[in-house]
Amino acid sequence: DQQVKQNSPSLSVQEGRISILNCDYTNSMFDYFLWYKKYPAEGPTFLISISSIKDKNEDGRFTVFLNKSAKHLSLHIVPSQPGDSAVYFCAAIPPNTGNQFYFGTGTSLTVIP
Amino acid sequence: ETGVTQSPTHLIKTRGQQVTLRCSSQSGHNTVSWYQQALGQGPQFIFQYYREEENGRGNFPPRFSGLQFPNYSSELNVNALELDDSALYLCASSPKTPGGTEAFFGQGTRLTVV
Repeated sequence: DQQVKQNSPSLSVQEGRISILNCDYTNSMFDYFLWYKKYPAEGPTFLISISSIKDKNEDGRFTVFLNKSAKHLSLHIVPSQPGDSAVYFCAAIPPNTGNQFYFGTGTSLTVIP
Repeated sequence: ETGVTQSPTHLIKTRGQQVTLRCSSQSGHNTVSWYQQALGQGPQFIFQYYREEENGRGNFPPRFSGLQFPNYSSELNVNALELDDSALYLCASSPKTPGGTEAFFGQGTRLTVV
């Protein structure tokens, strides 16, 4: 069963506007969440993370929001740049499992110049 | 500081054969995880090694096995290859911590089973 879901396979945004990528999860035991970005022919690269004790974490143009009651997290990119075009995966980690990630299926973001 | 490197980058095997994929972890990282990413899907956790011992396993059959060496590099072995094993295999290394932390991924090995 898919415990982490990204229901939007793709998203197109104009350069300079906000990109919002969404992720839902079903396991309330997850206590750490991450976003990874993946370019073709490369491995995923870490973008930003958030612990379940927080509801927001910001790093430059990237902000992750966590709504535990809704089991929902989102990644906001402001302003979006053409170099942000990639596939974005959200991932979740249950407690006491090291780094055994549960990944979503990914959202392909295209930023249009 | 060297990153995570995987070899080979591409591989074609015949159904029923065996394959070994290799991963060198990032310097200072003692935990290595392996993931399978089928086309159009997110990476699926196969197993994790910590200090040469298996430390968790996903929903994969026993023909998927692994090793971790004293220098923390790792191998993924798949026996009796099936067509559905065609995928990108990703290795990730991380320092072992009580809570979550980001893992660093290699570029992956693209396995095609024909």
